[in-house]
Amino acid sequence: EAGVAQSPRYKIIEKRQSVAFWCNPISGHATLYWYQQILGQGPKLLIQFQNNGVVDDSQLPKDRFSAERLKGVDSTLKIQPAKLEDSAVYLCASSLLRGSTDTQYFGPGTRLTVL
Amino acid sequence: GENVEQHPSTLSVQEGDSAVIKCTYSDSASNYFPWYKQELGKGPQLIIDIRSNVGEKKDQRIAVTLNKTAKHFSLHITETQPEDSAVYFCAASRHTGRRALTFGSGTRLQVQP
Repeated sequence: EAGVAQSPRYKIIEKRQSVAFWCNPISGHATLYWYQQILGQGPKLLIQFQNNGVVDDSQLPKDRFSAERLKGVDSTLKIQPAKLEDSAVYLCASSLLRGSTDTQYFGPGTRLTVL
Repeated sequence: GENVEQHPSTLSVQEGDSAVIKCTYSDSASNYFPWYKQELGKGPQLIIDIRSNVGEKKDQRIAVTLNKTAKHFSLHITETQPEDSAVYFCAASRHTGRRALTFGSGTRLQVQP
């Protein structure tokens, strides 16, 4: 079974520029998550989708971050404008959401550097 | 919201020794506790998980114990090997509603050959 795919793997931008990340979850997985992982820390949730609806975006900085999951499959996370503190690895995860089986599988991440 | 604390932040052991990483959580409604291993440049990979109706779970050299009363859980790795060197994260979540994981701050395990 193919894993969670993310692109690009690396991105370097200047502050105040915009950037977008793409995620394709494991086929059939209803739930999709975006996490932000700052160097030396554990991942922190940005947004959780179930199918194409938002379950939790309470920790998403909505003045600059946006995310969508059209058609309940792949998802895009955007930052506009970027700040220095947005430098991090952005991880996408997906889960099947069936009964008590809710293991989250992570993609390789996109490493963002804001200069 | 949930808060997960993880100790130690770094751990160095000799090959063949055991390693133990401990986590505590704050939300009594959390009932799912996975452990992830993250190697450099890769996403976290699930190595073992435990649900609140179980006190202990073992998979070959890896075991996890859960004490719901004390709100803590631990990862035990026996007979460590150099390839076990990585950063390990504990996490907690609920199985209903908001299922997102709250992660600990990570433990960098170094296994010396």
